[in-house]
Amino acid sequence: AQSVTQLDSQVPVFEEAPVELRCNYSSSVSVYLFWYVQYPNQGLQLLLKYLSGSTLVKGINGFEAEFNKSQTSFHLRKPSVHISDTAEYFCAVSEKAAGNKLTFGGGTRVLVKP
Amino acid sequence: DAGITQSPRHKVTETGTPVTLRCHQTENHRYMYWYRQDPGHGLRLIHYSYGVKDTDKGEVSDGYSVSRSKTEDFLLTLESATSSQTSVYFCAISESPSSYNEQFFGPGTRLTVL
Repeated sequence: AQSVTQLDSQVPVFEEAPVELRCNYSSSVSVYLFWYVQYPNQGLQLLLKYLSGSTLVKGINGFEAEFNKSQTSFHLRKPSVHISDTAEYFCAVSEKAAGNKLTFGGGTRVLVKP
Repeated sequence: DAGITQSPRHKVTETGTPVTLRCHQTENHRYMYWYRQDPGHGLRLIHYSYGVKDTDKGEVSDGYSVSRSKTEDFLLTLESATSSQTSVYFCAISESPSSYNEQFFGPGTRLTVL
């Protein structure tokens, strides 16, 4: 079975500052990696995903993430945040051979301050 | 946005009563999922469906049942609601069972069991 740990439950950040959200996973088999975002009172939407190839993945809204196999990490970054990036962010994995079933981390709540 | 609706959006009920939540999609996607979201736990899979009348259990299925009699509808039933089932419930859909495929999420149902 796999597990996902998001190391920070809350991250306050000033507008136009960079932000990094940390995600580590544990799995005995190969996985795909995802970041989803949940804006207030909404469902989740996909930011980006890592399937294979280049370890740096670019997503929507200026976000990017880097897959590090040796450290089993998939940290999310944005060089300059906006007020509209205030949301909760979820890291998730799915086992390559187990069908489309996601295991989520506990979430990181990002509060962007003016 | 993917055409996914959930009803009701909010519900307050009493311990011991049965509750049914509905997920309706207009995308004709074959795969549907029910998750619950709790602080610090992210989202956890309750049940999923890979076609009409084909369902299976997820990580936290105890106390829940599901039914899918039409492609577009996936119902989640709490047979006898308990306070531990107070949560936000999300439905998701995907076009394919492949573990690299994006899941699309509904807006959620906030359930309170008193």
